[in-house]
Amino acid sequence: SQQGEEDPQALSIQEGENATMNCSYKTSINNLQWYRQNSGRGLVHLILIRSNEREKHSGRLRVTLDTSKKSSSLLITASRAADTASYFCATDGDNYGQNFVFGPGTRLSVLP
Amino acid sequence: NAGVTQTPKFQVLKTGQSMTLQCAQDMNHEYMSWYRQDPGMGLRLIHYSVGAGITDQGEVPNGYNVSRSTTEDFPLRLLSAAPSQTSVYFCASSYSRQGAVNTIYFGEGSWLTVV
Repeated sequence: SQQGEEDPQALSIQEGENATMNCSYKTSINNLQWYRQNSGRGLVHLILIRSNEREKHSGRLRVTLDTSKKSSSLLITASRAADTASYFCATDGDNYGQNFVFGPGTRLSVLP
Repeated sequence: NAGVTQTPKFQVLKTGQSMTLQCAQDMNHEYMSWYRQDPGMGLRLIHYSVGAGITDQGEVPNGYNVSRSTTEDFPLRLLSAAPSQTSVYFCASSYSRQGAVNTIYFGEGSWLTVV
């Protein structure tokens, strides 16, 4: 069964707008990570948030984690056409660095 | 530092043929894994390894075989290809340490079509 589920499945916004994607998971975690996949490429790590953290920033990315609701959100501010990609959350359950489970992803389209 | 390298990039197989997808990493990661990615679905774990000589099954292991003779290499074998194995395959590696930042590094993917 999938651990992470992203929402929405697809998101289309104009350049300059903010994009918010959500991820829900089912069991306890050590950390939650967000990855980006450009079309036809492998996944690239964006940001990691540990289970004892509530918010983390990296450039235009802001991730929040609510362990009581078993959910996370990824906010991309001032989006650019180059942000067009699929975004996935991944959780490791109670295994450190093992058996990461990915959701189906959110397809983000940023229109110029 | 090449990261995770997987080959081939593209492959077409006939039903019943066998082949091996190669994966190598140069980061001395303990943990390596193979995922498949199908349209509308996330990545599903096929097999994984926590170190040389140790492998285990993931979510969708049927029809695949793996071995881990060295830390660096983790090949995935399709024993008798079936059309249902048409997919994009990703090899990944990471550290596997308590308290560490165990970021996953992915290869660029192998597009496999079984006809």
